[in-house]
Amino acid sequence: GEDVEQSLFLSVREGDSSVINCTYTDSSSTYLYWYKQEPGAGLQLLTYIFSNMDMKQDQRLTVLLNKKDKHLSLRIADTQTGDSAIYFCAEIRYGNNRLAFGKGNQVVVIP
Amino acid sequence: NAGVMQNPRHLVRRRGQEARLRCSPMKGHSHVYWYRQLPEEGLKFMVYLQKENIIDESGMPKERFSAEFPKEGPSILRIQQVVRGDSAAYFCASSPGQGMGDYTFGSGTRLTVV
Repeated sequence: GEDVEQSLFLSVREGDSSVINCTYTDSSSTYLYWYKQEPGAGLQLLTYIFSNMDMKQDQRLTVLLNKKDKHLSLRIADTQTGDSAIYFCAEIRYGNNRLAFGKGNQVVVIP
Repeated sequence: NAGVMQNPRHLVRRRGQEARLRCSPMKGHSHVYWYRQLPEEGLKFMVYLQKENIIDESGMPKERFSAEFPKEGPSILRIQQVVRGDSAAYFCASSPGQGMGDYTFGSGTRLTVV
């Protein structure tokens, strides 16, 4: 089945680092994604990682992939109030084109 | 380079009416996907199309829902005889090819059935 799991809520102070976690069940995943959704808005692609990579860094964002544990994380350095949003992880499986999403993790940044 | 364009942004329909949602993919992207997001939930896959072809419609409800991506013009998601349970945000995404990383979403159409 399409089981991507995320914790639901994270509160973080402005300037601190945020870490959002996600677990997935299918070892045949090829790409894993992080999307950001602000209230009433669409999904903004933040970053994605190919399954043969362990880490990807893009400015304030660091993605870590642990294939053995099927665990994906997104670290946001120096969190800003504009980072307050819902963050979704998603996976694409080999031979498939559909994204399977987690339920999302709401991040609230406290000034 | 415009992103994925969806319209309308908001759509209100009475029960029993038809809803037509439009999506134009990013320039250079030939693969289109439709997803539905119910309140407080993640997105669920509905259908995957290429020009003039439905590739995977395994997420589409069996009745009342249809999708097309004609040779010319945007992709259309059509919902006939809408019911209150169809109220949701409908997102379109596009990618340049099969299974490729650059998978970009539009801003969505928020359908409200009254």
